[in-house]
Amino acid sequence: DAKTTQPTSMDCAEGRAANLPCNHSTISGNEYVYWYRQIHSQGPQYIIHGLKNNETNEMASLIITEDRKSSTLILPHATLRDTAVYYCIVRSNTGNQFYFGTGTSLTVIP
Amino acid sequence: GAVVSQHPSWVICKSGTSVKIECRSLDFQATTMFWYRQFPKQSLMLMATSNEGSKATYEQGVEKDKFLINHASLTLSTLTVTSAHPEDSSFYICSARPSGGGTGELFFGEGSRLTVL
Repeated sequence: DAKTTQPTSMDCAEGRAANLPCNHSTISGNEYVYWYRQIHSQGPQYIIHGLKNNETNEMASLIITEDRKSSTLILPHATLRDTAVYYCIVRSNTGNQFYFGTGTSLTVIP
Repeated sequence: GAVVSQHPSWVICKSGTSVKIECRSLDFQATTMFWYRQFPKQSLMLMATSNEGSKATYEQGVEKDKFLINHASLTLSTLTVTSAHPEDSSFYICSARPSGGGTGELFFGEGSRLTVL
């Protein structure tokens, strides 16, 4: 079962930063936070993941609170092509299954 | 990044027929692959875990005799929807995790849209 809660939808102006929150209050010590996104009618695309330190890659930044009960995915300069459903998933590095929650539907507005 | 390919991308079939969907990891080996189903405007629902050389593990409520999974090699898993009915129409997505560790992320295929008439 999914162990995360996310807002159902968000809007963001093109060129601005998109900040997508995720609550995972029951996360265990060995569980990572993964973020994926799904553009309509495509398979999910990996964005980023982290354990407790903040992470950054060419796509996004991941900010994890000190108590690890929540995190925020940041798209620094949102473009129209970032319109998608964003999923936050927690899973241990040795675990197998990824269970998807409802995700956040992000709409980037021109 | 690692590539997972599904075939066919879309298929239309008559009620009562069986449909096979293939999932291949193109540039890595995957001991384990996963099959998801997604209905319109809903999230991905995990159906089963496909294990190379052994039986698949099905999630609660998924009929193993209806959704046959075969993982014959480290790069190929197949999902066969047997005796398909209109309610089986859905978007089926596979994913794979590279064997031997890595950073743990799953790589997903492009999905296969099944329409049962």
